[in-house]
Amino acid sequence: GQQLNQSPQSMFIQEGEDVSMNCTSSSIFNTWLWYKQDPGEGPVLLIALYKAGELTSNGRLTAQFGITRKDSFLNISASIPSDVGIYFCAGQGLNNAGNMLTFGGGTRLMVKP
Amino acid sequence: ETGVTQSPTHLIKTRGQQVTLRCSSQSGHNTVSWYQQALGQGPQFIFQYYREEENGRGNFPPRFSGLQFPNYSSELNVNALELDDSALYLCASSVDRGHGYTFGSGTRLTVV
Repeated sequence: GQQLNQSPQSMFIQEGEDVSMNCTSSSIFNTWLWYKQDPGEGPVLLIALYKAGELTSNGRLTAQFGITRKDSFLNISASIPSDVGIYFCAGQGLNNAGNMLTFGGGTRLMVKP
Repeated sequence: ETGVTQSPTHLIKTRGQQVTLRCSSQSGHNTVSWYQQALGQGPQFIFQYYREEENGRGNFPPRFSGLQFPNYSSELNVNALELDDSALYLCASSVDRGHGYTFGSGTRLTVV
């Protein structure tokens, strides 16, 4: 089963508000990734983090790779209606199962215009 | 540049039947991974193929099998379908087992 705990499970916010979601793991990962999935589509990569402590931005999105390598957060500033979707964190580490991705359970974001 | 394409988009099968799902990797990508996404959950790793060989496998029974072809396209086969196999099956391609996964839109399998 999944090893990543992602929270919150869902958020309903007003347009313009900032959003924060996080992911924790019992295992260490070499890479943390954040994806967004729209209905009927596959996940799309938003941000990739490769080093502990790394803070990376992509437009209104900012993500950090935790120092312990067991956690990560994603912030979205000034949310807009097109931010609606499901956000997934994923950890990646070299192991016997190739460089598989381990996904969190997702955060469903709803934005009220 | 062509992305990852999967076929069919939707499929309904009866319990006990067999199914084959297909994936064409993004141009230039030689690695294909398959994931199962149950409703309301995150994707779970099934297996990965690199240079036509299985390169890693998640916690799925042997009735889940796959192939990768010389053009790097791939198939996922599931035998003896069970109701719990109903899910969105996602294919992702990358270069040399690297980080840059590109996901397809998936195949929605319903087992009745």
